[in-house]
Amino acid sequence: DTEVTQTPKHLVMGMTNKKSLKCEQHMGHRAMYWYKQKAKKPPELMFVYSYEKLSINESVPSRFSPECPNSSLLNLHLHALQPEDSALYLCASSSKTGTGVGNQPQHFGDGTRLSIL
Amino acid sequence: GQNIDQPTEMTATEGAIVQINCTYQTSGFNGLFWYQQHAGEAPTFLSYNVLDGLEEKGRFSSFLSRSKGYSYLLLKELQMKDSASYLCAVKAGNNRKLIWGLGTSLAVNP
Repeated sequence: DTEVTQTPKHLVMGMTNKKSLKCEQHMGHRAMYWYKQKAKKPPELMFVYSYEKLSINESVPSRFSPECPNSSLLNLHLHALQPEDSALYLCASSSKTGTGVGNQPQHFGDGTRLSIL
Repeated sequence: GQNIDQPTEMTATEGAIVQINCTYQTSGFNGLFWYQQHAGEAPTFLSYNVLDGLEEKGRFSSFLSRSKGYSYLLLKELQMKDSASYLCAVKAGNNRKLIWGLGTSLAVNP
């Protein structure tokens, strides 16, 4: 069991559908992340929220739209995705404010396995 | 540029010891993380090093040499459940980004 909860675990959608991925953590972490992971590859950072504000967008296509309604929740809205967007989408959170040196491991959820038809 | 290298695959025997190496070239260094990821599951945090030396945590230890840009993860008394991918990640800059290695797939055989 992980302390970061993601729903749904699996999602199959067509290229014209609109869906949302959800992530929740109750560890009091103030940084939350979205990653995309393809098979046998490391996680690829998409977005970072710090104190509910978007701090990093890794040039992600606009068909992916993140939202952070509060410090515990993170959503990823999906629209008009392409088959190459099929992947495991991981949410993570980490503690400690500010930047610099510090043991701030990112804690991952189990992910949503997304398939685009 | 930013680069992290680790072996693609390793094989070891149950009960043995295995060392997974990671070398990095990054602009700046603010710590190195090791994660374990079983197939189809989330990465789980194993260890963190920011100063030179060895950090021990049960059967797992991690070592760092900043001058050599080198780390290793040592797994002792290997168990079948240790078969997984092991990811090395470096926090290089003053933000929350991690630079990830491609991972080492470890197979533990009976």
